[in-house]
Amino acid sequence: GNSVTQMEGPVTLSEEAFLTINCTYTATGYPSLFWYVQYPGEGLQLLLKATKADDKGSNKGFEATYRKETTSFHLEKGSVQVSDSAVYFCALTLIQGAQKLVFGQGTRLTINP
Amino acid sequence: DAGVIQSPRHEVTEMGQEVTLRCKPISGHDYLFWYRQTMMRGLELLIYFNNNVPIDDSGMPEDRFSAKMPNASFSTLKIQPSEPRDSAVYFCASSFRAGDPTGELFFGEGSRLTVL
Repeated sequence: GNSVTQMEGPVTLSEEAFLTINCTYTATGYPSLFWYVQYPGEGLQLLLKATKADDKGSNKGFEATYRKETTSFHLEKGSVQVSDSAVYFCALTLIQGAQKLVFGQGTRLTINP
Repeated sequence: DAGVIQSPRHEVTEMGQEVTLRCKPISGHDYLFWYRQTMMRGLELLIYFNNNVPIDDSGMPEDRFSAKMPNASFSTLKIQPSEPRDSAVYFCASSFRAGDPTGELFFGEGSRLTVL
């Protein structure tokens, strides 16, 4: 089946630190990969995406590269801010099917000033 | 443009009562999803619709849960009777038609349900 495994949280960092949140996947076809972010008290919103191998998604200083050889889509940011504190979800969907996203368990990130 | 609209934002009820959660998807979206989020189980897909037709309800926990989509602009998730273990945040999301490689889901702000 299709599944997503994320690095367990919570993750606590100081402002301006480098961030990596690991994500690996298992899929029977050719998935599109996503990172969603959930700020406190809000719904999830798309942060970035990549639809094929070697694509790099980027937004708001975050980046993730679709690595087919390692079935990974790790999220990175060079210098985090307090406002980045949120829960981050890695997800996949198969292009051929409906947009039935499979989510990872989420990683809670807290940035201290 | 208005996003996905859910109501109520908060609901507190007693065990055994009926709960109805409501969702208005983004106009023009063909897919509607209901998710449940808890600390223990994370984000779970309960059911999704395509063009108002339920496609996959395998995530619905039991017969106490039911969902309907009478038209393209409205969906309900009903729990009857409710139990304390149903306490969670319930999200509605919508998206464009299949074949859109972006696969982006647009989420509402959620309905936080507490069953006492």
